[in-house]
Amino acid sequence: DAKTTQPNSMESNEEEPVHLPCNHSTISGTDYIHWYRQLPSQGPEYVIHGLTSNVNNRMASLAIAEDRKSSTLILHRATLRDAAVYYCILRRGIQGAQKLVFGQGTRLTINP
Amino acid sequence: NAGVTQTPKFQVLKTGQSMTLQCAQDMNHNSMYWYRQDPGMGLRLIYYSASEGTTDKGEVPNGYNVSRLNKREFSLRLESAAPSQTSVYFCASSDPTLPGGRLNEQFFGPGTRLTVL
Repeated sequence: DAKTTQPNSMESNEEEPVHLPCNHSTISGTDYIHWYRQLPSQGPEYVIHGLTSNVNNRMASLAIAEDRKSSTLILHRATLRDAAVYYCILRRGIQGAQKLVFGQGTRLTINP
Repeated sequence: NAGVTQTPKFQVLKTGQSMTLQCAQDMNHNSMYWYRQDPGMGLRLIYYSASEGTTDKGEVPNGYNVSRLNKREFSLRLESAAPSQTSVYFCASSDPTLPGGRLNEQFFGPGTRLTVL
């Protein structure tokens, strides 16, 4: 299975944009890029996913490199509630059960 | 909708004791999953059930058994608990037939914190 590499931790200030990078140099053509986040003492929650094109939703944006070997999760205006561990996960295809493989993720700290 | 519920929230066992972790979802999802999360680590898949009546091993199935009781419920059993099974256990569900983008979402419960002494 293709692996992802993320920085262990990042820090940002409230109301500023945050760019969380993810490298996935061995990604295959059918791998979707998923992002989940885990708030303290909670289960993970879905943030966004994409295949080739950039994606936007109410929570965040996902920018995918043209060669798909890296991607960036963008939080446009961070709030204190965005402090969490963010996981970048590759998932082969979109059919059937999702066997997600979580790495250690990036711990995001937001300063007031 | 309550989403995914797990019981109990906390449990302390002695080595060798058995217990069953319960999970239920009210979203009519086909697929359900059990993960464990050790301190400072990401989640690892223990077992999953793609649909009612089927179960399959994940990344770390040793020492566990599962039962997909019906479409709503998916239980995880530890037959003889060991200290290495001290962890936080998360149940999740998903459904690839959901409309729009939600077919890619996996919904997680609040977790069960298990300590084995």
